[in-house]
Amino acid sequence: GAVVSQHPSRVICKSGTSVKIECRSLDFQATTMFWYRQFPKQSLMLMATSNEGSKATYEQGVEKDKFLINHASLTLSTLTVTSAHPEDSSFYICSALVGGTDTQYFGPGTRLTVL
Amino acid sequence: DAKTTQPPSMDCAEGRAANLPCNHSTISGNEYVYWYRQIHSQGPQYIIHGLKNNETNEMASLIITEDRKSSTLILPHATLRDTAVYYCIVRVAYNAGNMLTFGGGTRLMVKP
Repeated sequence: GAVVSQHPSRVICKSGTSVKIECRSLDFQATTMFWYRQFPKQSLMLMATSNEGSKATYEQGVEKDKFLINHASLTLSTLTVTSAHPEDSSFYICSALVGGTDTQYFGPGTRLTVL
Repeated sequence: DAKTTQPPSMDCAEGRAANLPCNHSTISGNEYVYWYRQIHSQGPQYIIHGLKNNETNEMASLIITEDRKSSTLILPHATLRDTAVYYCIVRVAYNAGNMLTFGGGTRLMVKP
């Protein structure tokens, strides 16, 4: 149980384009999902907290207009990187909070490369 | 959330127990100790968590000292697939943000 998937697993795009990453909880409902970013040889950094049916809460320094988060259902949250630039190239990872518990389960990650 | 200190790297022989230490000397009474690991190019995987009692599951054991200032994650029979970065995180359970703050972790290398 508690499986989280992400799609796509890898994406390469041109500078200036937008990229959407999906995060799904496959066997449970998640009222809260999180989006993290990880640069090479660094630890995970929380970008935002996504609550179903409400606006996401962004961490300091994360541009909400650049990283659009939608959590329209209890099993799906999406992160859209708008007008991507090479410095946005990173490993994006989502996690979902299992309802009634305090444990986060992570997706496999999406590697974004912006040329 | 309390800060944690972990050694940056450790080696372990395959089949032997891997003991990963974590220091959290400023932990407060309502903070839990969580352990996650991240295998290269994958998302983190939940391992175990505890408050003050020792915990064991199918993956590992968690030993928390009586004063709760430090803990040890034990992988009883390490395999090559246990090679990963292990993160010790201390946080209040069910806090408002439910956030996890990842530090540098310990890079465990299991060798044949």
